[in-house]
Amino acid sequence: GESVGLHLPTLSVQEGDNSIINCAYSNSASDYFIWYKQESGKGPQFIIDIRSNMDKRQGQRVTVLLNKTVKHLSLQIAATQPGDSAVYFCAEFETGGGNKLTFGTGTQLKVEL
Amino acid sequence: EPEVTQTPSHQVTQMGQEVILRCVPISNHLYFYWYRQILGQKVEFLVSFYNNEISEKSEIFDDQFSVERPDGSNFTLKIRSTKLEDSAMYFCASSGPSGLAGGSWPKNIQYFGAGTRLSVL
Repeated sequence: GESVGLHLPTLSVQEGDNSIINCAYSNSASDYFIWYKQESGKGPQFIIDIRSNMDKRQGQRVTVLLNKTVKHLSLQIAATQPGDSAVYFCAEFETGGGNKLTFGTGTQLKVEL
Repeated sequence: EPEVTQTPSHQVTQMGQEVILRCVPISNHLYFYWYRQILGQKVEFLVSFYNNEISEKSEIFDDQFSVERPDGSNFTLKIRSTKLEDSAMYFCASSGPSGLAGGSWPKNIQYFGAGTRLSVL
């Protein structure tokens, strides 16, 4: 079946470094993608989104890149801070596909001081 | 900042009992959802709700599950006869400010509550 998956389950970075979290998706009909951050004991928190007609979108310290050719998403976090430590999920959405998000398995980001 | 609120934060129940999980979505949103997350696993879609009816449901959402919007602010998930495998975090989400129609972009951003941890013993 269709799935959204992540390349790495855990990513450790030094404080101040840039982080790159990757995500592969397989539903070619997905036309909208969201990155969520989930801290321990909390619900997913919206970070940034991107539509399939874009290949890059920037927010505050975060950038999402979309490569539709290889069905790949990445989340770049600049100057990673201890507060960025969390699990990051990509989620895909297909317009007309029932208004549901399909989540990937998550990447644990650990920021080392 | 508006947020989705869920109660209780933790619900413990005996197998076979009924539970109702409660959510107050963001006030001007029109689309409501329930997801669940088994410990250590990914977030899974259960059901979406719009205009007082279910718009989509997953295979997980069987006859033991139901949703209701009993008034203008609450959105509930009921599990009629809980099973051990229903133990999970249940997240409510909402999206879609009023006034936006069709596939407009802001509708798709789903905002999540902090979740209810359901423990079935």
